[in-house]
Amino acid sequence: AQKVTQAQTEISVVEKEDVTLDCVYETRDTTYYLFWYKQPPSGELVFLIRRNSFDEQNEISGRYSWNFQKSTSSFNFTITASQVVDSAVYFCALSGGETSGSRLTFGEGTQLTVNP
Amino acid sequence: KAGVTQTPRYLIKTRGQQVTLSCSPISGHRSVSWYQQTPGQGLQFLFEYFSETQRNKGNFPGRFSGRQFSNSRSEMNVSTLELGDSALYLCASSSGDTQYFGPGTRLTVL
Repeated sequence: AQKVTQAQTEISVVEKEDVTLDCVYETRDTTYYLFWYKQPPSGELVFLIRRNSFDEQNEISGRYSWNFQKSTSSFNFTITASQVVDSAVYFCALSGGETSGSRLTFGEGTQLTVNP
Repeated sequence: KAGVTQTPRYLIKTRGQQVTLSCSPISGHRSVSWYQQTPGQGLQFLFEYFSETQRNKGNFPGRFSGRQFSNSRSEMNVSTLELGDSALYLCASSSGDTQYFGPGTRLTVL
């Protein structure tokens, strides 16, 4: 079975600070996808980023960056120079592979609060 | 492109009733998945439909069912509602490996 763990339940930062959200996953599949979604108070899950298991290149997209390390089964997400609008619940998710197909397995979520 | 739409956005029902939720995917997307979100259990996969066929199913009782139409629109039905069915029900559509979510239907069972 697949499992995603987000150990940080809540994080509170002051605007312009950098913040890293941790994600650790478990899977027996050799091919899989990892995602980060954002859920603002309105409730809709907003897709942020996706990585596949055979591409460990880390990238930066605007204020977002991610660190995928297969050796430690981690997929951490960093927001640089945080803004109040970044306040939301962030979910790490896992899908793909022989055992679960396209269903998403989500972590528990991390509530990020950015204070002015 | 318009995003995933879900109707209704809010719903209040009483125990024992049944409910039908609707989801219209992004144009061109043939796969639709449903998830339940509760404070206690988090986000859990219900089922996935592709080309009118259920392709994947989560661990939910038979009271939860769904279907997909030829235009890829999907409905899910919950019969004999229980208090524990109160949740945010999210629909997602995909054309590849990324799922895009709708705003959800918040169901309250009294």
